[in-house]
Amino acid sequence: EPEVTQTPSHQVTQMGQEVILRCVPISNHLYFYWYRQILGQKVEFLVSFYNNEISEKSEIFDDQFSVERPDGSNFTLKIRSTKLEDSAMYFCASSVEGMSQPQHFGDGTRLSIL
Amino acid sequence: KNQVEQSPQSLIILEGKNCTLQCNYTVSPFSNLRWYKQDTGRGPVSLTIMTFSENTKSNGRYTATLDADTKQSSLHITASQLSDSASYICVPQGAGGSYIPTFGRGTSLIVHP
Repeated sequence: EPEVTQTPSHQVTQMGQEVILRCVPISNHLYFYWYRQILGQKVEFLVSFYNNEISEKSEIFDDQFSVERPDGSNFTLKIRSTKLEDSAMYFCASSVEGMSQPQHFGDGTRLSIL
Repeated sequence: KNQVEQSPQSLIILEGKNCTLQCNYTVSPFSNLRWYKQDTGRGPVSLTIMTFSENTKSNGRYTATLDADTKQSSLHITASQLSDSASYICVPQGAGGSYIPTFGRGTSLIVHP
């Protein structure tokens, strides 16, 4: 069964540095999402992306965050200047169609900010 | 502010037994509600999706119910298995301008042999 893959599985970065988290969504999916989960807390929506545009974003997704689909297979989340509070598990997800369809999640990238 | 309350926070049952998990939400307007299973260290896996007009949806041993009037949902697990040990998360999604999903904190289910 096709899967969403995320790399790296664990990323350690110094505070203030830029970090790029990478995701390969399922190939025939058109909608892409990023979520985060701070350790011990609930999953939080960050952003959804369709047709090379952001379709929804939460209050968490401020100017420090950006998303990109640089080619036909990858979907990236960039954090420009990381803060300690950005430490979390970041999940990528994709779906065939819009928000009423099942979303398939990757197993996440654990981001640790030192 | 949209809120999701799940109960119980944690639950321990014996293998083979049934259980029901509850979800109350305040999301309005409302488009759909999802239940996810999340194993420790893994991404959530979609179990069911119900629109506001659906009352029940089944996926194998999982049956979700929805009362959009009272803003309550439940997830019933039949004949539990050890592999059902996980966190079960309720996620209502808004409509009418904001489709941002609101995740609950989940119910942690442990199934003992």
